[in-house]
Amino acid sequence: NAGVTQTPKFRVLKTGQSMTLLCAQDMNHEYMYWYRQDPGMGLRLIHYSVGEGTTAKGEVPDGYNVSRLKKQNFLLGLESAAPSQTSVYFCASSYSLFTGELFFGEGSRLTVL
Amino acid sequence: GEDVEQSLFLSVREGDSSVINCTYTDSSSTYLYWYKQEPGAGLQLLTYIFSNMDMKQDQRLTVLLNKKDKHLSLRIADTQTGDSAIYFCAESNQAGTALIFGKGTTLSVSS
Repeated sequence: NAGVTQTPKFRVLKTGQSMTLLCAQDMNHEYMYWYRQDPGMGLRLIHYSVGEGTTAKGEVPDGYNVSRLKKQNFLLGLESAAPSQTSVYFCASSYSLFTGELFFGEGSRLTVL
Repeated sequence: GEDVEQSLFLSVREGDSSVINCTYTDSSSTYLYWYKQEPGAGLQLLTYIFSNMDMKQDQRLTVLLNKKDKHLSLRIADTQTGDSAIYFCAESNQAGTALIFGKGTTLSVSS
C-alpha cells in the first residue's frame, strides 16, 4: 500500500529553470494539497484541489502552478525557479476534510541555485 | 485570515511530562488537530479534538481546548526519547477546504 508518493525526492535547479513535482495517491482521495516547509516558517499551503479538474490557491501560490487532470495525481509546477523556492515540498491527500486526517508524502527537497 | 501560533522549542527529560501550547484565530473550525513529524518524514495525524469538547485523552496524550481564549494544548505524559519530533497544531481554513498549520514545536527529549 503506497499511500502518497512524491517524485522526485531531491532536485537541484538553476535559477530560471522549470520543473514539475508529481504527487500520486492510491487511496481514492478527493482532496489533495501541496505545502512547503521552511525553517522557522512551518508548513504553508501553496495550492490545493477538492476534486479532479479543480484547483485553488492557498497562502503562498505565487510562482507555482498546479494541475489535477486525474483524481490520483496532483502536479506542482515551477515555471521559472527562484532561490526563494528552495524548500521541502510536501504533498498530502484526504478523503474528507471533516475528519482532518491528511496523509502526507515523504517530501521533495528542492534546491534552487 | 487564519493564523496558528506555537512556541518553537521545548526541551524535557525522559519520564517528565511535556506540554506544547498553541493559539489559533478561527473559532469556526470544527476540529483542531495535532500532527507529529519525525526526522526526514512527512507529518502524521497524532490526535484531534472536536470544538465542543474541553478535553480529550488518548493513552499518554491529553488535549485541552479553551475556546474562549482560543488556546489548545497537547500534554504528553511520561515522555520518551521516541517522542522527539516536531509537533504541529492545525485548524481548518474558513472555507473548510484545507488545514492551516502552525510553525511547529520541536520537542527534544534527553535521557
